Amino acid sequence: NAGVMQNPRHLVRRRGQEARLRCSPMKGHSHVYWYRQLPEEGLKFMVYLQKENIIDESGMPKERFSAEFPKEGPSILRIQQVVRGDSAAYFCASSPTDRWSADTQYFGPGTRLTVL
Amino acid sequence: AQSVAQPEDQVNVAEGNPLTVKCTYSVSGNPYLFWYVQYPNRGLQFLLKYITGDNLVKGSYGFEAEFNKSQTSFHLKKPSALVSDSALYFCAVRDGGSQGNLIFGKGTKLSVKP
Repeated sequence: NAGVMQNPRHLVRRRGQEARLRCSPMKGHSHVYWYRQLPEEGLKFMVYLQKENIIDESGMPKERFSAEFPKEGPSILRIQQVVRGDSAAYFCASSPTDRWSADTQYFGPGTRLTVL
Repeated sequence: AQSVAQPEDQVNVAEGNPLTVKCTYSVSGNPYLFWYVQYPNRGLQFLLKYITGDNLVKGSYGFEAEFNKSQTSFHLKKPSALVSDSALYFCAVRDGGSQGNLIFGKGTKLSVKP
C-alpha cells in the first residue's frame, strides 16, 4: 500500500514564477491537508480539502496561494508569483475520514521549495 | 484556543539510556494527541496517538507516551535509546470536540550518542 506521494521533491523557482506542488493521498483516503514548515519551526496548517471541496483554508495566505483536489487526480497547491519568503518545505497529509474522527493523518515526504 | 508546547529544543541522551521528550498541551475539549518523528529531509512518520482509554500508549519502534490529564502533558518515552532514534520529534494536538486543525509543537531534536 503506497503511502502519500508528493512531487516534485525539490522545486526551484525564481521570484515571480509559479510553483505547483502535487499530492496523491494514500489509497482509500479522501481527505487531504497541506502544511508548511519553515526552517527551525513546526508545521503550520494551510488548507484542508475533500474531493472537489475546500473545507478549511484558514491557514492559507489570501493572495497568491490556492489549492484544489479534483475528482480525478492529485491535490494541487499552487503558489503564484513566488517570493523568497515562500521558500519552505510543504507537506501533504491524508486521512480516511474527516476531522471529526480520531484518524491519524499520514504525511508525504514533502516538497522543498526554494525561491531564488 | 488550542496550543502545544515542546519546552526543549534539543535532548541529548547516551545510547542505552532512557529518553524522555516533553510535550504539554492546551485544548478546551478532550485532546487527541499525536507524536510524529521526522528524519532529515524526510516527511513525518506517525509514532503513536492518544484518543481515549489507557493513559499509557505504546507505539512504533519501542516508543511509548503517557497522557497526564492533570498536568496536561503527553511526554514521549523510550526505555533504552538507540543512535538511530536521533531525529526531530513533533507533538501535535487536536481538540476532539471540534473540527479544529492539528496543531504542532516546534519540535525537539533528539541526539543519541554512542
